[in-house]
Amino acid sequence: SQQGEEDPQALSIQEGENATMNCSYKTSINNLQWYRQNSGRGLVHLILIRSNEREKHSGRLRVTLDTSKKSSSLLITASRAADTASYFCATDADTNAGKSTFGDGTTLTVKP
Amino acid sequence: GAGVSQTPSNKVTEKGKYVELRCDPISGHTALYWYRQSLGQGPEFLIYFQGTGAADDSGLPNDRFFAVRPEGSVSTLKIQRTERGDSAVYLCASSIRARNEQFFGPGTRLTVL
Repeated sequence: SQQGEEDPQALSIQEGENATMNCSYKTSINNLQWYRQNSGRGLVHLILIRSNEREKHSGRLRVTLDTSKKSSSLLITASRAADTASYFCATDADTNAGKSTFGDGTTLTVKP
Repeated sequence: GAGVSQTPSNKVTEKGKYVELRCDPISGHTALYWYRQSLGQGPEFLIYFQGTGAADDSGLPNDRFFAVRPEGSVSTLKIQRTERGDSAVYLCASSIRARNEQFFGPGTRLTVL
């Protein structure tokens, strides 16, 4: 089974609104990464947050990590139609360097 | 610079045939990863190379799957006696080293008839 699980599975919002996606995982991690995927092909890396970090920002993206709850959230502020995509979290466990485990993603639709 | 490239972009084959999928990572990236993704699911880890050696091949589903990276750059994923259940998009990624951000290629869509 997948380590990371995203919630919700699908999210539909209006342009300009904020979108929040959550990720839960099961085992102790070294880092957690968020990716975006358009049209079911290549993934684009968004943010990597390490286990000793609690929050990171990149442009309109904000990622938080709570290792005590084994959860992370991705916030996209002031969403745009171009943000429409699937978003995945992936975890690198403490014990398996290089093995990233992905969840099944959140499908975000931003309506213009 | 160039990103990760994968060839072919699409491959249609018949059940029982042998296929090879190629990945060209970003120059200088020592870590290379193969994933498989089915419709509506996240990528599933197959194998990870650090340099020329397979550091973790625990995701390979069975012995029909094999991957090599002989010179520490280009990698080939080989699937013998393909089955219809092998149909998926096969994704390759590279990173400067393990536990760093991964850059993905566009994938190879494999269809086994």
